[in-house]
Amino acid sequence: AAGVIQSPRHLIKEKRETATLKCYPIPRHDTVYWYQQGPGQDPQFLISFYEKMQSDKGSIPDRFSAQQFSDYHSELNMSSLELGDSALYFCASSQRGGAGEQYFGPGTRLTVT
Amino acid sequence: GNSVTQMEGPVTLSEEAFLTINCTYTATGYPSLFWYVQYPGEGLQLLLKATKADDKGSNKGFEATYRKETTSFHLEKGSVQVSDSAVYFCALSGSQGAQKLVFGQGTRLTINP
Repeated sequence: AAGVIQSPRHLIKEKRETATLKCYPIPRHDTVYWYQQGPGQDPQFLISFYEKMQSDKGSIPDRFSAQQFSDYHSELNMSSLELGDSALYFCASSQRGGAGEQYFGPGTRLTVT
Repeated sequence: GNSVTQMEGPVTLSEEAFLTINCTYTATGYPSLFWYVQYPGEGLQLLLKATKADDKGSNKGFEATYRKETTSFHLEKGSVQVSDSAVYFCALSGSQGAQKLVFGQGTRLTINP
């Protein structure tokens, strides 16, 4: 079965640089979520989109922005990177009308040096 | 707001031992409850789910029952294997459509042969 695809899998950036993470949801899933997981921590919700519109917003820094495109893929743009942004970034997708279960991609490991 | 509390880890067991990982939650309304598992270097995999009181979710020998009276969703397995070694996250989502997941802090499980 098709899964959530994230790219790149690993990314190394320097402070103050920008990064773009991409997410391709499971076909026919209409909702995309982004989460940030620090080392040894639980995932923290950043932002979500339903039918290309932002549906909820969590603890996402103002330096970050995201959008969902007409083909339902989503991109998380991160600017003025800081050391503390080093983390695993997960994308998940779901189908509205389901039980609320989300299916996660393998994650992008971002390292800021 | 919604929150999830898991038993503190790490948990170390011998193969074929009985496993319980406690999870309690605080939420308004009737949330959906989930257990996710994260193997080293991988994303989160949905292990099981329950969407209403007294529902029992089960998968791969793991079980959890949605107990509204005690606001709990404890994970159990009768006989663990070395391959069950991973980090386990309890999570909830709101009852209205597609909503963000709120995770517990995770429990690292190690099974020794």
